[in-house]
Amino acid sequence: AQSVTQLGSHVSVSEGALVLLRCNYSSSVPPYLFWYVQYPNQGLQLLLKYTSAATLVKGINGFEAEFKKSETSFHLTKPSAHMSDAAEYFCAVSTSYGKLTFGQGTILTVHP
Amino acid sequence: GAVVSQHPSWVICKSGTSVKIECRSLDFQATTMFWYRQFPKQSLMLMATSNEGSKATYEQGVEKDKFLINHASLTLSTLTVTSAHPEDSSFYICSASSAGVYEQYFGPGTRLTVT
Repeated sequence: AQSVTQLGSHVSVSEGALVLLRCNYSSSVPPYLFWYVQYPNQGLQLLLKYTSAATLVKGINGFEAEFKKSETSFHLTKPSAHMSDAAEYFCAVSTSYGKLTFGQGTILTVHP
Repeated sequence: GAVVSQHPSWVICKSGTSVKIECRSLDFQATTMFWYRQFPKQSLMLMATSNEGSKATYEQGVEKDKFLINHASLTLSTLTVTSAHPEDSSFYICSASSAGVYEQYFGPGTRLTVT
């Protein structure tokens, strides 16, 4: 079985500040991990993915995430928030069977 | 590459009627397609997984006779909501993956409103 927990349903930052969105996972097999972003009334856009290669993964729009097996974490960071980063972010875990399990989502608000 | 489309993007139907949502992979062969439902301010919940040419596998609690899924070709899957009721109003999102590829590519979603 696999599960994902995103700590904090809402995160608010100022423009230019560090963005940190937390994700912890549980998986009985080596996981594939993903971060997606969703804008209102739109589908999901892949930000980045971990597939057992490098533990520090760089994605689009300046986001990156670090896989820490010992902490079962895959937190998403961005050094400097931009107004356009305001959206909902989902962490997801997948096994080789292909099924994705999503976290509850974190709404990121960016203040000017 | 790896583009998935959905049609329609939004639909309004009357209670008791059926509505069909299409999911297409535009530039790759989708051996597996997934259907998700997302209620307002909630996460995505997997409804079913379909492999081309096979019957869909439904998640626990999802009525297979109400949510009919067909995956007749490597580029098209359809979800038909039969005898729709207001509680079926939701955002339905499909995704697709190729054989041996762990990554899913998501469609833009379909907003269903049942009146």
